[in-house]
Amino acid sequence: GDSVTQMEGPVTLSEEAFLTINCTYTATGYPSLFWYVQYPGEGLQLLLKATKADDKGSNKGFEATYRKETTSFHLEKGSVQVSDSAVYFCALRKGQTGANNLFFGTGTRLTVIP
Amino acid sequence: DGGITQSPKYLFRKEGQNVTLSCEQNLNHDAMYWYRQDPGQGLRLIYYSQIVNDFQKGDIAEGYSVSREKKESFPLTVTSAQKNPTAFYLCASSMGRTSGANVLTFGAGSRLTVL
Repeated sequence: GDSVTQMEGPVTLSEEAFLTINCTYTATGYPSLFWYVQYPGEGLQLLLKATKADDKGSNKGFEATYRKETTSFHLEKGSVQVSDSAVYFCALRKGQTGANNLFFGTGTRLTVIP
Repeated sequence: DGGITQSPKYLFRKEGQNVTLSCEQNLNHDAMYWYRQDPGQGLRLIYYSQIVNDFQKGDIAEGYSVSREKKESFPLTVTSAQKNPTAFYLCASSMGRTSGANVLTFGAGSRLTVL
């Protein structure tokens, strides 16, 4: 079945370090891919998305490229800040009948220390 | 500003009691969802609704009930039959019903603790 696998955390980085959070997916067809971010005590917010192969989503310095050949959507940021500390969720969604077509990874907790 | 409002933010319940979590959206979205979040387990779908007066079970519907009498509202009742109800509950909505590109908008969540 369709699924998303993302790297387990927690991830702890120093401020200004480079961030990569790996995400791979299993799906038939052509899903859309998303990264959501959850700050402490809050709901999820969309960080970025890509809807077709080779698309690059970007927002707030974060980037992810939809790689169909490797079924991946890794999240990257060149220089993290303390304010980036949060839980990051990779997700895929397929356009098919039925709303139960959204699959989330288990989340990766990032802590950035000054 | 448009968005999703969940209430209460924190709720304590004694065993054997039913509780209802509120979710209201003013985004004019057709579809609404309830997710449960437990540490290290990501999000699990409880119920979803694509249109008014219609809803479907998600992956973990047992012990929960919902209603969708208005487009804006999708309350979730956690019944006494739910064996392990302590969790963080997230409500979400999206435009349209099936488009793969449609983004979910989430509420801030409700944390339920059973004493």
